Amino acid sequence: DGGITQSPKYLFRKEGQNVTLSCEQNLNHDAMYWYRQDPGQGLRLIYYSQIVNDFQKGDIAEGYSVSREKKESFPLTVTSAQKNPTAFYLCASSIVHSHDTDTQYFGPGTRLTVL
Amino acid sequence: GNSVTQMEGPVTLSEEAFLTINCTYTATGYPSLFWYVQYPGEGLQLLLKATKADDKGSNKGFEATYRKETTSFHLEKGSVQVSDSAVYFCALMPGNNDMRFGAGTRLTVKP
Repeated sequence: DGGITQSPKYLFRKEGQNVTLSCEQNLNHDAMYWYRQDPGQGLRLIYYSQIVNDFQKGDIAEGYSVSREKKESFPLTVTSAQKNPTAFYLCASSIVHSHDTDTQYFGPGTRLTVL
Repeated sequence: GNSVTQMEGPVTLSEEAFLTINCTYTATGYPSLFWYVQYPGEGLQLLLKATKADDKGSNKGFEATYRKETTSFHLEKGSVQVSDSAVYFCALMPGNNDMRFGAGTRLTVKP
């Protein structure tokens, strides 16, 4: 089955440590996205990538970094510079240049807790 | 800028009641509009979408009509079930990969 996988589902980190969240898709989608969700709030865009080896900052990129070395993978690193990293992180992907180009499909999410 | 405003929750209904969750938007041009649903501890699932004015999106008994004159995309369902309990997000895509989400509305359906 095609889909988007995120791992791990739950992640605990000590303050001052970097941590990397995994996102993989086998939908052959061109674009991938990372969002942050805080309780009672909508989603906020961290980074997105429309093509391999290229990515752009979203609204809240500070304290985060990404890479896009393969079409299928878009890992997110939460660095120690992120002041309040405890949140639910969602990865999404979409096709580019088709009739369905604007629809984003989401993974199951990773809940990050900083201890 | 582009933004979405949806009614604040939580919304609590009895099974078989009629559901309306209001959503209005601000956007330049002609955005696509979406409703996503999120069950506890999970990611977002696309519920329905509409890409132009007067389009009606529908899925699983839910409907929403793209109203350009009122800049609205209200979600409706004629008879809710306990299994519809979730958080519902309205979203718009103005065409530049800059999807904007509302804050979400939590729905609880009681038997």
